[in-house]
Amino acid sequence: DAGVTQSPTHLIKTRGQHVTLRCSPISGHKSVSWYQQVLGQGPQFIFQYYEKEERGRGNFPDRFSARQFPNYSSELNVNALLLGDSALYLCASSWLGASQGEQYFGPGTRLTVT
Amino acid sequence: GNSVTQMEGPVTLSEEAFLTINCTYTATGYPSLFWYVQYPGEGLQLLLKATKADDKGSNKGFEATYRKETTSFHLEKGSVQVSDSAVYFCALPNTGNQFYFGTGTSLTVIP
Repeated sequence: DAGVTQSPTHLIKTRGQHVTLRCSPISGHKSVSWYQQVLGQGPQFIFQYYEKEERGRGNFPDRFSARQFPNYSSELNVNALLLGDSALYLCASSWLGASQGEQYFGPGTRLTVT
Repeated sequence: GNSVTQMEGPVTLSEEAFLTINCTYTATGYPSLFWYVQYPGEGLQLLLKATKADDKGSNKGFEATYRKETTSFHLEKGSVQVSDSAVYFCALPNTGNQFYFGTGTSLTVIP
């Protein structure tokens, strides 16, 4: 069975630009969560979506937004990129919400902002 | 909110040595506790979990016991291998449907 997939694998953007990251969950999983992992740190929670509705939001500015589609795939959008947004962005899917069950992670998208 | 504190790394061990990575938690109630592992260049994988106090999670020779008396969930392995070299994260659910990861402990096992 296919695991969680993310695209693109790597991305280089310039300050001020916008970026869209994509995630496809494991078949049958209805919950998708997004995390930002800065080098040398643990993942920081950004959003959780369950059944296409936002169910949790971490301490990130409004420049970060996300949505979940009817097929449960998800997009993370970041506007007005800053150098500090450079990180590995991880997507995780689960049967239930992130706080209720184990999560399955994708390989991540490495974003570099120059 | 809920949080975890992990021991600082990095940790370097010889093959077949005993491993302990400390994790203590602060939580309302008794949430499930998790250990995730991240191998070089990969995303995170669930290593083990415990859903209630005194539970022991185990997988691939790793073990961790949910101890409410000491609010701890230390990760142990009796004999590490080179292939265990990775970063290990302690984690737990937080309020608002969030999930909280520790800062991670890097383990390097040398032959």
